[in-house]
Amino acid sequence: DAGVIQSPRHEVTEMGQEVTLRCKPISGHDYLFWYRQTMMRGLELLIYFNNNVPIDDSGMPEDRFSAKMPNASFSTLKIQPSEPRDSAVYFCASRVSGIITDTQYFGPGTRLTVL
Amino acid sequence: AQSVTQLDSHVSVSEGTPVLLRCNYSSSYSPSLFWYVQHPNKGLQLLLKYTSAATLVKGINGFEAEFKKSETSFHLTKPSAHMSDAAEYFCVVSEGYALNFGKGTSLLVTP
Repeated sequence: DAGVIQSPRHEVTEMGQEVTLRCKPISGHDYLFWYRQTMMRGLELLIYFNNNVPIDDSGMPEDRFSAKMPNASFSTLKIQPSEPRDSAVYFCASRVSGIITDTQYFGPGTRLTVL
Repeated sequence: AQSVTQLDSHVSVSEGTPVLLRCNYSSSYSPSLFWYVQHPNKGLQLLLKYTSAATLVKGINGFEAEFKKSETSFHLTKPSAHMSDAAEYFCVVSEGYALNFGKGTSLLVTP
């Protein structure tokens, strides 16, 4: 299995531009998570989906952020308009439903820089 | 809400000496706890997890963690550090299916 795939790996954009981050979960996994990592706040959960349905988006910082999962093999995290404070590493993760302690698998992350 | 506190932001050890990374948890019930590792510019990898089956948990690469309910701790240890252990380590508690991460401990291993 290829693992969780994220694209792009690096994104540099200017303030005000729209940014779209992409994630392909591991085949057969029915949970998908988006996390953000910054020096100031560490790793934070932004949103997660179960069977393509958003379950908890309480971590999404503001209306500029939106996430979708149109099918079981693809999810996007969009920031519009982007701001310098959105600069961070964004991770996608997936897992199967089952017992709580089943492993959550992380992608390599997308490093976003907003100038 | 479940949370974890990593007591050290940086730990430095010499190669071949023991490693101790400290983590305390806060939970209203028996928690599910994990340790993840992140090597520079890499994603996160699961080291080990506490499933309540045993208080001493063995993970990959020689790491262990002991769940101590009386101390609300889940410290990570390794008998002998290797240069390749240099990384960021996260203590994590589950909140349902989602994960709450500690702030991380950066482990430096010197020759």
